[in-house]
Amino acid sequence: GDSVTQMEGPVTLSEEAFLTINCTYTATGYPSLFWYVQYPGEGLQLLLKATKADDKGSNKGFEATYRKETTSFHLEKGSVQVSDSAVYFCAQKTGANNLFFGTGTRLTVIP
Amino acid sequence: DAGVIQSPRHEVTEMGQEVTLRCKPISGHNSLFWYRQTMMRGLELLIYFNNNVPIDDSGMPEDRFSAKMPNASFSTLKIQPSEPRDSAVYFCASSLGGAGNEKLFFGSGTQLSVL
Repeated sequence: GDSVTQMEGPVTLSEEAFLTINCTYTATGYPSLFWYVQYPGEGLQLLLKATKADDKGSNKGFEATYRKETTSFHLEKGSVQVSDSAVYFCAQKTGANNLFFGTGTRLTVIP
Repeated sequence: DAGVIQSPRHEVTEMGQEVTLRCKPISGHNSLFWYRQTMMRGLELLIYFNNNVPIDDSGMPEDRFSAKMPNASFSTLKIQPSEPRDSAVYFCASSLGGAGNEKLFFGSGTQLSVL
């Protein structure tokens, strides 16, 4: 069935380092793809999305490109900050109005 | 808008007790979701409603769990009787459904501890 697989964490980086969190999807078609972020003690919130192949979602310096050739939607940021420390979830749309979330990747950025 | 509001924020109870979690979605949203988050299993969809009607409850773990949405502004998730393995953070989320709009708005969650 439809699902997403994302790299396991935790990931620890120094401030200003480059970030990549891998995500691949399994689907019969081309579902919309998302990255959600969960800051400590809060609920998830949408970070960015892409609705079709070759689309690039971007927000707050984060980017992810929908690549159908590799069925991937990797999250990247060129220079992370301490405030980016959070858990990041890859997700895909399944059915008419539902999202399937990956297991989450915890990122810790140290000064 | 105040966002999705969940209560209580924390709940500690003893095994066998009934637990009721509450959610008020964002006004105007027509879809509501209940998720459970644990370290072992990550984020799991329990049930979701569209226009107050349960659409998919396949994620509800067993008969001890039940969810209702009596109107567009309120939903409950009930566990009766509760067990220690139900300990988790339970999130409610809402969205304005429809093709192309899958942005979920999450509440801050209810941290449930069953002793």
